[in-house]
Amino acid sequence: AQSVAQPEDQVNVAEGNPLTVKCTYSVSGNPYLFWYVQYPNRGLQFLLKYITGDNLVKGSYGFEAEFNKSQTSFHLKKPSALVSDSALYFCAVRDMITPGTYKYIFGTGTRLKVLA
Amino acid sequence: DGGITQSPKYLFRKEGQNVTLSCEQNLNHDAMYWYRQDPGQGLRLIYYSQIVNDFQKGDIAEGYSVSREKKESFPLTVTSAQKNPTAFYLCASTKGHSGNTIYFGEGSWLTVV
Repeated sequence: AQSVAQPEDQVNVAEGNPLTVKCTYSVSGNPYLFWYVQYPNRGLQFLLKYITGDNLVKGSYGFEAEFNKSQTSFHLKKPSALVSDSALYFCAVRDMITPGTYKYIFGTGTRLKVLA
Repeated sequence: DGGITQSPKYLFRKEGQNVTLSCEQNLNHDAMYWYRQDPGQGLRLIYYSQIVNDFQKGDIAEGYSVSREKKESFPLTVTSAQKNPTAFYLCASTKGHSGNTIYFGEGSWLTVV
């Protein structure tokens, strides 16, 4: 079965410093990977996705993620963190149930805290 | 604006009551999903539907029911059989074809009183 793991419950980083939020995956076949952000009492907002092609994916709000097949990782990164980036971040993988039928499996989330 | 609308935002349920959470999308998406979010447990799939009049159980379907009579609507009923229903419920949808992003509504809080 497909799965994703987010090994860190919380990540703290100083404003202006680079940030990394980690995600590893376990899939059969080619992975379809996603990152989402959630602010308090809100739904999940899409940041970026990897389907195929370039291993470095750029997304919304200056975020990017690097797909690494040999390490089965898809870490979220940003060169310079903002206090407003403080939120809950989810990694997800698409799982095919039958051809044309999919479900999406989410990690447990990583809380990012950017300190001023 | 196109999007997914969930209502109500906050709902209180008494013991033994059934309640229904509404989810409507105007994105012309084929597939719709219901997830439950509890602190520290991420999102867990309750039900999903790929087409009208068809739906499948997810990982935690017990105590829940759904219907898909229209493409744009996928209501979730939390029945009295669900013993621990207090949670944040998220509705989502996708176009349904390969590689597509899943989009979410703003969520509904259900609390048992």
